Amino acid sequence: DQQVKQNSPSLSVQEGRISILNCDYTNSMFDYFLWYKKYPAEGPTFLISISSIKDKNEDGRFTVFLNKSAKHLSLHIVPSQPGDSAVYFCAASVTSGTYKYIFGTGTRLKVLA
Amino acid sequence: NAGVTQTPKFQVLKTGQSMTLQCAQDMNHNSMYWYRQDPGMGLRLIYYSASEGTTDKGEVPNGYNVSRLNKREFSLRLESAAPSQTSVYFCASSGLTGSSGNTIYFGEGSWLTVV
Repeated sequence: DQQVKQNSPSLSVQEGRISILNCDYTNSMFDYFLWYKKYPAEGPTFLISISSIKDKNEDGRFTVFLNKSAKHLSLHIVPSQPGDSAVYFCAASVTSGTYKYIFGTGTRLKVLA
Repeated sequence: NAGVTQTPKFQVLKTGQSMTLQCAQDMNHNSMYWYRQDPGMGLRLIYYSASEGTTDKGEVPNGYNVSRLNKREFSLRLESAAPSQTSVYFCASSGLTGSSGNTIYFGEGSWLTVV
């Protein structure tokens, strides 16, 4: 019963092009979403987040889009750089009550030079 | 800036042995978490503590116990380790509960092998 799903285990993109990572969720109570980046042998690090009251949030090369009706979010990286090669996790939480963050299975992004 | 510190970084256990993973955060966060990462399974929540004095089960709590010792520290105990508990364990913390949104910060991970 995976509440947060990342259906693409891996993605390869040429340097300079756009990377699009997708995430779907099933629990309509989720109202806050985050993306994390993870390098091997390190802990995940925060990239960008979005509240359910918005449909887009930008931070430099990173943009997250939220489609609540489809229960879908995506992370766009433009332009992609070799240093972006990592595993990306999306996460979702319900901000009322206790904070419980549910993560997806991750997508391994490889940016080719 | 230490952030979230977890120990030990590496551990090998024999089946049936017990051990405790320690975690401490210096960000004055209310909430703390233990996750495990397995290939193809992503990050799965084991237990969490929304605030000092409370703990709750996550997605995969079986075989684990936790203690929120104080606001800074949250430990994870394996009472009788099994090979299925071979994994990378991450401790994490986040700020105020019930606010409009918050980032969760992770430690560097603890690699546990049960043989």
